[in-house]
Amino acid sequence: GNSVTQMEGPVTLSEEAFLTINCTYTATGYPSLFWYVQYPGEGLQLLLKATKADDKGSNKGFEATYRKETTSFHLEKGSVQVSDSAVYFCALSGSGGYNKLIFGAGTRLAVHP
Amino acid sequence: EAGVAQSPRYKIIEKRQSVAFWCNPISGHATLYWYQQILGQGPKLLIQFQNNGVVDDSQLPKDRFSAERLKGVDSTLKIQPAKLEDSAVYLCASSLHDRGGGNTIYFGEGSWLTVV
Repeated sequence: GNSVTQMEGPVTLSEEAFLTINCTYTATGYPSLFWYVQYPGEGLQLLLKATKADDKGSNKGFEATYRKETTSFHLEKGSVQVSDSAVYFCALSGSGGYNKLIFGAGTRLAVHP
Repeated sequence: EAGVAQSPRYKIIEKRQSVAFWCNPISGHATLYWYQQILGQGPKLLIQFQNNGVVDDSQLPKDRFSAERLKGVDSTLKIQPAKLEDSAVYLCASSLHDRGGGNTIYFGEGSWLTVV
């Protein structure tokens, strides 16, 4: 079945450091890929998405490229801020049948001044 | 545009008691989801509705969990009787379309359940 694997956290960075959170997936067909973010005490918010191979999703300085050849969708940001501290979830939605999200376990990011 | 509304935000109950969570999706969204998020894990789909019909409840523990979506709008998720391992955040979500990938799914803030 479909699944998502994320790098384990926590990831601890200093402000303005470069961020990479790895995400790989297993899926049949052509899934859509998502990154969601969860700030403390809040619900999940869509950060970015990509619906086909080689698409790049971007939002708020974050980027991720859909790499079908490596089945990856790594999240990157060039310069993190303290306000980026949150839990990040990689997710996929299958290409056939009813739309639903399958999530990875999440990666906690802590950014220090 | 109003988001997905959930209530209550927080609930503490004793094991073997019952609890119900309510969800109001974004207006016009045909698809409604209930996810369970255990601390330190990613959300897991419990049940998915398309209008008022169930399209996926394969991971719903049907001996204790039930959900309904009357009239294809609001939904209620019930747990009876609760177990300690049901302590989690219950997330309701909705989306505009049903089939195919790429459709954005919007989440509520969640209902935090603690079973003691």
